[in-house]
Amino acid sequence: QKEVEQNSGPLSVPEGAIASLNCTYSDRGSQSFFWYRQYSGKSPELIMSIYSNGDKEDGRFTAQLNKASQYVSLLIRDSQPSDSATYLCAVNPGNAGNMLTFGGGTRLMVKP
Amino acid sequence: DTEVTQTPKHLVMGMTNKKSLKCEQHMGHRAMYWYKQKAKKPPELMFVYSYEKLSINESVPSRFSPECPNSSLLNLHLHALQPEDSALYLCASSQGPDSYNQAFFGQGTRLTVV
Repeated sequence: QKEVEQNSGPLSVPEGAIASLNCTYSDRGSQSFFWYRQYSGKSPELIMSIYSNGDKEDGRFTAQLNKASQYVSLLIRDSQPSDSATYLCAVNPGNAGNMLTFGGGTRLMVKP
Repeated sequence: DTEVTQTPKHLVMGMTNKKSLKCEQHMGHRAMYWYKQKAKKPPELMFVYSYEKLSINESVPSRFSPECPNSSLLNLHLHALQPEDSALYLCASSQGPDSYNQAFFGQGTRLTVV
């Protein structure tokens, strides 16, 4: 059973702070990793992808991957109330095509 | 442009009805997907089409029948559904079928079975 685990939250941070979202996965052979943002009642929106160990930055978002620890994280700098959403970590095993396995999601609340 | 369009946005159907969900993308993507998402749960993969051929069926009951008429269109035919099939049905597409391709989701069809 390939699993992706996230703390369900809610994670509450004040406006302007850094939000740190974490994800662990069980399949050591996983090769690609994605973060999606999902507002209530809406569909998932891709915000970051990462494939190799280290950090990847895109605007206020930084994804971090550590394959040895089977850990991927998302940092959101200067958090805004509009960032309040559920963040889904998705992992692709890489040996059977594009089959995303999602974590349960972390609900982020950014308070003004 | 990363737009995947799904119709209808909302659908209410009886357990004896037959209905279809439609998905369309014009990004030249060659892989398309159906996911199912229950309330407060993550999306779960149902089907994968790669180059218009069904490549993955995640043990989905036969009352769900996918169809890919061409590289831009993906349908999900529904028949004899149960109330527990009520969920948000999400279509996604990616440039290719391998694992490095980013998948983009449509807005979903919220299905209620009565």
